[in-house]
Amino acid sequence: DVKVTQSSRYLVKRTGEKVFLECVQDMDHENMFWYRQDPGLGLRLIYFSYDVKMKEKGDIPEGYSVSREKKERFSLILESASTNQTSMYLCASSIHRQKIDYEQYFGPGTRLTVT
Amino acid sequence: AQKITQTQPGMFVQEKEAVTLDCTYDTSDPSYGLFWYKQPSSGEMIFLIYQGSYDQQNATEGRYSLNFQKARKSANLVISASQLGDSAMYFCAMREGDAGGTSYGKLTFGQGTILTVHP
Repeated sequence: DVKVTQSSRYLVKRTGEKVFLECVQDMDHENMFWYRQDPGLGLRLIYFSYDVKMKEKGDIPEGYSVSREKKERFSLILESASTNQTSMYLCASSIHRQKIDYEQYFGPGTRLTVT
Repeated sequence: AQKITQTQPGMFVQEKEAVTLDCTYDTSDPSYGLFWYKQPSSGEMIFLIYQGSYDQQNATEGRYSLNFQKARKSANLVISASQLGDSAMYFCAMREGDAGGTSYGKLTFGQGTILTVHP
């Protein structure tokens, strides 16, 4: 079974703190993604990576950065957390192929609260 | 413009009945894929069903079927014989074609529909 794990299910941080959200997948997938999920807005793509050390901005990258030093690990970084970054964060991975029918596999999510 | 629209914030269905969750999409790409995911209260996203733009037949997976109407750009999810465990948030998502080799499998999600199954 494909497994995507995230470092924390729940996290509470203070405004201004640097926050690291870690994601690890065990299926040798090339692609990895970070989304945030907010009520009424669905999932929105923050950043994605298609290879080690490669990254691309998604739809809402402001206030976030990412790191991918190893193929299996993709980290989301909030340089200075703000209350508007309180959200559910979901990591996903998928095989990199020139096909459109492969799904993304998701981790359990991290519910981040910034106070 | 919204690429994926789910107009039903919430739906209710009686156990054992069928329910249809609506999804419309917008793309000019002739090659695309449509996905449905289920998110129970635990938070994990579960892949349910996939439909490709060139598929001639509607996709089916057990109790799930996708009512794909290409001309109307709709991809509604039909759940037959609803069960209490079907209560969850459901997301429709689209991946557009990758002729240029740069999309890397990005998905665009709709807003979601919360389904509640009553006993």
